[in-house]
This record gives sequence, C-alpha cells and structure tokens, in this order.
Amino acid sequence: AQTVTQSQPEMSVQEAETVTLSCTYDTSESDYYLFWYKQPPSRQMILVIRQEAYKQQNATENRFSVNFQKAAKSFSLKISDSQLGDAAMYFCAYRGTIQGAQKLVFGQGTRLTINP
Amino acid sequence: ETGVTQSPTHLIKTRGQQVTLRCSSQSGHNTVSWYQQALGQGPQFIFQYYREEENGRGNFPPRFSGLQFPNYSSELNVNALELDDSALYLCASSPAGGRYNEQFFGPGTRLTVL
Repeated sequence: AQTVTQSQPEMSVQEAETVTLSCTYDTSESDYYLFWYKQPPSRQMILVIRQEAYKQQNATENRFSVNFQKAAKSFSLKISDSQLGDAAMYFCAYRGTIQGAQKLVFGQGTRLTINP
Repeated sequence: ETGVTQSPTHLIKTRGQQVTLRCSSQSGHNTVSWYQQALGQGPQFIFQYYREEENGRGNFPPRFSGLQFPNYSSELNVNALELDDSALYLCASSPAGGRYNEQFFGPGTRLTVL
C-alpha cells in the first residue's frame, strides 16, 4: 500500500523568506503523480503544484517549486518570497489506483505560519 | 464555471443516527470522490463514483455508502453514527478523461457526532 509521510507538523517563516516543506512516500509503482495541496482555515483544499513521476524536470508554479527525487521517493515543496496568504496546512498527496479508482493518499500535513 | 459545492456546511448528530451529505460536482466532471478528514489529520479516501457506480473503496465499513446521480452529483450516507465519525467530509470531482484527472475539492461538511 502506498504511504505518504510529512515529518514536519509545523513550520514557520518570516515574510519574504523561503521555506521548504518535506514529504516522502512509499510505492512500488513506476508511474504516478504527486501533488501539494494547500488547505487554509476556510477548509477548501486547493492544488498548489503537481509532478508527474516520469518527468525528471521539477515542476514550478510561480513562487512554488518542488524538488522531486524519484529514487529517494522524496518530494519537497519550496515556497519563495513567502506571503501572509501562504499561511495554511499543506498536504503532500500521492495519486495511486485501487480497483480502478484514482484515489489520493495524503500525508499528515504541515502547518505553515508566516511571521510578518 | 461553478466549482464543487457541498451541503450542509455543518451538521450535528447523535450516536446511532443516520446522515446524508450532498455534493454537486463541477461542470463537465463525471467522477466524484469522498474523503474523511479527522481533526489534525490528512484526508482519508472513502470511495469514488464514476458514471453512477462505485469505482473503488478505501478502508471504511459498509455503513458508509454513496450514490451518484445522472447529473453526476453525489451523496454520502453514513448509518449508525459513531463518535469517531466526527470529521470534515470532503467531496472532490474530476473531469472525464484527461491525463491528470485532477481532483477539485469542495469546502467540506463538518459533521459532529455527540
């Protein structure tokens, strides 16, 4: 069974600084997708960035980028120029398959605080 | 384009009761997934519906059941509620086909079981 581990329950960073959130996963599949989701206090889960396992190039979306290390099964998220609106729970997720369903397997989350 | 909506926003029930949660998928999406998110935890996959049939299930007992309707909206039903069922229930819809099958989430229903 696939598992996702986020070892940092909480992180904090000064506004405008850079922060990296860690994620490791376990799978026997060779083709899969990895995601970072943001969940602000409003509760709505918002996709931040995605990575396809077959792509060696790390995904980038504006201030958000990932460091994908397939052999190490590591998928960290880097947030540059942190803004107050980045404060939220961040979840790393793996998309696998079960009985044909493409379920998301989530980590426990990292609570990110931005200090002004 | 209307996003994923869920109702109700909050719900309080007592142990042993039954509850129905509703989800309207995003326009053009034919797949709906349900997740349970306990306080301080990541979401856990309950099941997924595709074209009105259950397409996969996580490690949840049969008292968790669902439906998907021809308009692709969906219901999650939970019978014989237990205290541990207290959680945020998230619905996510995804489009037909497409490489990513990205899941778009609704705002969730907060269920409290007393």
